[in-house]
Amino acid sequence: DGGITQSPKYLFRKEGQNVTLSCEQNLNHDAMYWYRQDPGQGLRLIYYSQIVNDFQKGDIAEGYSVSREKKESFPLTVTSAQKNPTAFYLCASSIDRENTEAFFGQGTRLTVV
Amino acid sequence: AQSVTQLDSQVPVFEEAPVELRCNYSSSVSVYLFWYVQYPNQGLQLLLKYLSGSTLVKGINGFEAEFNKSQTSFHLRKPSVHISDTAEYFCAVARFKAAGNKLTFGGGTRVLVKP
Repeated sequence: DGGITQSPKYLFRKEGQNVTLSCEQNLNHDAMYWYRQDPGQGLRLIYYSQIVNDFQKGDIAEGYSVSREKKESFPLTVTSAQKNPTAFYLCASSIDRENTEAFFGQGTRLTVV
Repeated sequence: AQSVTQLDSQVPVFEEAPVELRCNYSSSVSVYLFWYVQYPNQGLQLLLKYLSGSTLVKGINGFEAEFNKSQTSFHLRKPSVHISDTAEYFCAVARFKAAGNKLTFGGGTRVLVKP
């Protein structure tokens, strides 16, 4: 089945640690996105990538980093610089650069303990 | 830049009653419009989208939405809801025919269907 796979579904991190969230897609999409979701705030864009080896900051990139070494993979690292990392993280990909339809993974819930 | 306002954060509704979720947007350029649904602890699923053409758009699960350019609105409706429609609904916009496009989301509307 084609789709987007995020792992793990739940992740716990100690303060001061970096952690990497995985996002893999087999839809052959060029564009991929990371969003953060907090209650009552909708989804906010962290980073996005239109093509391999290229990515841009979204609205809330501080404290996060990404890489796009392969078309199918777009991992997100939450660094210790992110002051409030506890949130639900969603990865998405789009069928075209105009983003006429985005497909979402099932999300990763990150909790800082 | 675009912005999206979902006017109701929560909408309680009885089973088999109609529901309308309101969405208004602001943009200096033409836009694409979307409605997504999210069930608890899951990702988002596309309900319907407006790209161009007819302003009345029909989606999955019996939902429909109407694009009103003069009122910059894209309200979502369903004539008769089921318990399984309990979820959070997000309205989103993207610039029309823009390469490197990004989605801007509203804050979401939580629908609770009561028996």
